[in-house]
Parts: sequence; structure tokens; C-alpha cells
Amino acid sequence: QVQLQESGPGLVKPSETLSLTCTVTHGSVTRDDVWWSWLRQSPGGRLEWIGFVSHSGSTTYNPSLKSRVSMSIDMSKRQFSLKLSPVIAADTAIYFCARDGGVTARHWVYWGQGILVTVSS
Amino acid sequence: EVVLTQSPNILSLSPGEEATLSCRASQYVTPSFFAWYQQRPGQAPRLLIYGSSNRATGVPDRFSGSGSGTDFALTISRLEPEDFAVYYCQHYADMPWTFGQGTKVEV
Repeated sequence: QVQLQESGPGLVKPSETLSLTCTVTHGSVTRDDVWWSWLRQSPGGRLEWIGFVSHSGSTTYNPSLKSRVSMSIDMSKRQFSLKLSPVIAADTAIYFCARDGGVTARHWVYWGQGILVTVSS
Repeated sequence: EVVLTQSPNILSLSPGEEATLSCRASQYVTPSFFAWYQQRPGQAPRLLIYGSSNRATGVPDRFSGSGSGTDFALTISRLEPEDFAVYYCQHYADMPWTFGQGTKVEV
């Protein structure tokens, strides 16, 4: 069973950088066919896929956020990360990290509990 | 981008009743890349159905998924108290992967 935990600041100022880390607190990190994703949920409940990073470090981002997003991975630390810059008020959301089931199962099987990030001065 | 529209927005039912939730895609979605998630208050979404009709590990058999093309459905045969939650459909075929706006099943 894989368990994920998000961490990072809960408050970010407009125009600054949102930086979050997801730590795999339990379970294997050695599978090289899974993708590690970030998603977010707006205060109104809308879910949005932000992007994913593979075991090798290759990334794919949602085109709507591509110009502001970067992701990285360091499985020696059992972590992967999200940066979003510059942030605006509309980036206020609960951010989730998640992992899929592998090359034949890209649905999200494992989720972190989520972290609320508020963008405000 | 595939737009997923769920209906109804809110479904008011009683325990023991059957719930049918719908999700319509703006264009064809390969059934193999279609999922349903359940979200209870204060929790992360939980995978219920993948590949349009396959139950995820540990999901009770009162949950079933169906559909193909542009029309998909989630049926809960006999609502239990813990089933009152928000349900989201989602596709993971062509990128960007998108979600429906959610259907709240309430008492």
C-alpha cells in the first residue's frame, strides 16, 4: 500500500512561487512505469489535473498551466515536487499528489490527503 | 480538450434506494480510459471504477459502471449511509485529462 503526504506553505503571496513536496511515506518507490501526479481542487469543488513526472524525470503538464508549472522527482528521498509561478488568486486550492497504477492503469489509485494553499497578500 | 458534463448536479435519495449518475463527454472517450471517483467531506478522492466498468480494489459490488463513446453511468444499487458523497467522472485518454463537475448524492 502506497501512502503519500503533501507538504509546503499554506499561504503564498500573489506573483510569488508555490512550492509543494509529496513524500512517499509508505510503499515501494522502485516501479519505473508509474507516473507521479499533482492535481488541485478549487474552493468550488472543481478538480483539475496539473501534470505528472515519471520515474526518469520526464514531465507532462496540463496546457492551461504549462507556462507556470514545473515538476521534479527525487526518489532517493522518496519525494517529488511541484512549483507554480507566478501565482494568482485563482490558484487558491487544495493540492493533491497522486500515483497511478502503471503503464496499463493510468487512473489514480493512491492519493495524498491534500494541502490547502491560499494565494493572498 | 474533452469536456465532461455530469447530471444531475445534486441527487437527493434515501438509504436503500438506487442512484444513477450520468456523465456525458463532448467527444468520444475510449472506455478503457474512463474512471469514477468518490469524495467524502474532508477527504481526497477515492478511485471507484476504472476502465469504465471495473471496480477498484475494495469497492463494494453495489457500485457498477457502464457506458461507452460519449455516455457513461455510475449506478449504486442500494445506497448505504457512507455512500452519500460527491462523485466525479474523469477521462485519462487524450491530454489534458479532465474531470466532470461532480454530482452530490445527498440524503
